[in-house]
Amino acid sequence: EVQLVESGGGLVQPGGSLRLSCAASGFTFSSYEMNWVRQAPGKGLEWVSYISSSGSTIYYADSVKGRFTISRDNAKNSLYLQMNSLRAEDTAVYYCAGGDYCDYWGQGTLVTVSS
Amino acid sequence: QSALTQPPSASGSPGQSVTISCTGTSSDVGGYNYVSWYQQHPGKAPKLMIYEVSKRPSGVPDRFSGSKSGNTASLTVSGLQAEDEADYYCSSYAGSNNPYVFGTGTKVTVL
Repeated sequence: EVQLVESGGGLVQPGGSLRLSCAASGFTFSSYEMNWVRQAPGKGLEWVSYISSSGSTIYYADSVKGRFTISRDNAKNSLYLQMNSLRAEDTAVYYCAGGDYCDYWGQGTLVTVSS
Repeated sequence: QSALTQPPSASGSPGQSVTISCTGTSSDVGGYNYVSWYQQHPGKAPKLMIYEVSKRPSGVPDRFSGSKSGNTASLTVSGLQAEDEADYYCSSYAGSNNPYVFGTGTKVTVL
């Protein structure tokens, strides 16, 4: 069974940092491209970042470029999102999603940016 | 990159059909056959229902179908069932720097 489990969310002050993790199981993680997608409370889905299966190709949404860093460790079947210079508008549930079309999703982890 | 435009809500009675539109531009929906649709129940993660405009992943009922004409894609749910009540989001590829542009979302209510 495919499983994606996010962790690392929480309450952080504006300007602070957080590192999200996504643990994958049940599929060949190293063969899948991965994404982070977020959803602000009561709002729609917003794509955040993409990383290819090897990690050699990375893209970011303009809203997070220069502040967030996506990475992966295929040996550990894990995906990461380092989030720096956090703003109130980054408050959201963050999902990791895998596959060519975001076929698989985790349950999400809530990030709250507030003083 | 702006979000794709979807109607805020749609509804139908059990057994009826409902169609949701997703309007973009020639730079996203109209430029590629990479439109996907996701279903999201309250408090749950999204679930892929349609990919590449009209293909269904294994396990998705054939009551769900997708199509595209020009810059507008559509999702049709036939034979509505109570469990189809959810939010639905479209998504389109918009170039290598923008692999996913999501729609604004549509809440489907089964009357």
